[in-house]
Amino acid sequence: GAGVSQSPSNKVTEKGKDVELRCDPISGHTALYWYRQSLGQGLEFLIYFQGNSAPDKSGLPSDRFSAERTGGSVSTLTIQRTQQEDSAVYLCASSLQLAKGTDTQYFGPGTRLTVL
Amino acid sequence: GNSVTQMEGPVTLSEEAFLTINCTYTATGYPSLFWYVQYPGEGLQLLLKATKADDKGSNKGFEATYRKETTSFHLEKGSVQVSDSAVYFCALSITGTSGSRLTFGEGTQLTVNP
Repeated sequence: GAGVSQSPSNKVTEKGKDVELRCDPISGHTALYWYRQSLGQGLEFLIYFQGNSAPDKSGLPSDRFSAERTGGSVSTLTIQRTQQEDSAVYLCASSLQLAKGTDTQYFGPGTRLTVL
Repeated sequence: GNSVTQMEGPVTLSEEAFLTINCTYTATGYPSLFWYVQYPGEGLQLLLKATKADDKGSNKGFEATYRKETTSFHLEKGSVQVSDSAVYFCALSITGTSGSRLTFGEGTQLTVNP
């Protein structure tokens, strides 16, 4: 079946512009995660959605970052007023969330964001 | 807090050599442990996992045993192939917290030469 998809695969933007990154999780997966992979910081958790519950935003690095998940499926990560330190690969993952802590997360290919 | 420490890379081996990538963790709680692999140009894939102490995860000839007493989850393979060249990430998640957010190690770049 189809895996997690993300778009765009690459995004180049100018400092100060807003960007939107999209994630389509695996159908039927109720849990959705965003991570960031950067050279200086490794792989970092950003935000977690579970069904219709309030998201866990504890990993967002600043208030310029926000995310939403519409209809319990597609998610959009928005970065406002981008800065050069936002340059990274943004990864989305989804899981069935049948058992907390033991679920396998399936990752998308990522969006490579470059802020000039 | 929770953290994962991996042996520093990069690691370069010849084909058919034995591989060990060390991973230790610190966790407030009882974690599940994972190894993810990222092949060149591809996304992260789960390689193996273990959810309780003394469990052994295995896949594609790779193995790792959950050692609670040493808080470790070292990855091993008896005979590596060129196709195993990739970046390997050790990770943990905690049962019972909100979600199953993963905490990753720094990643270890493995290159296998023919």
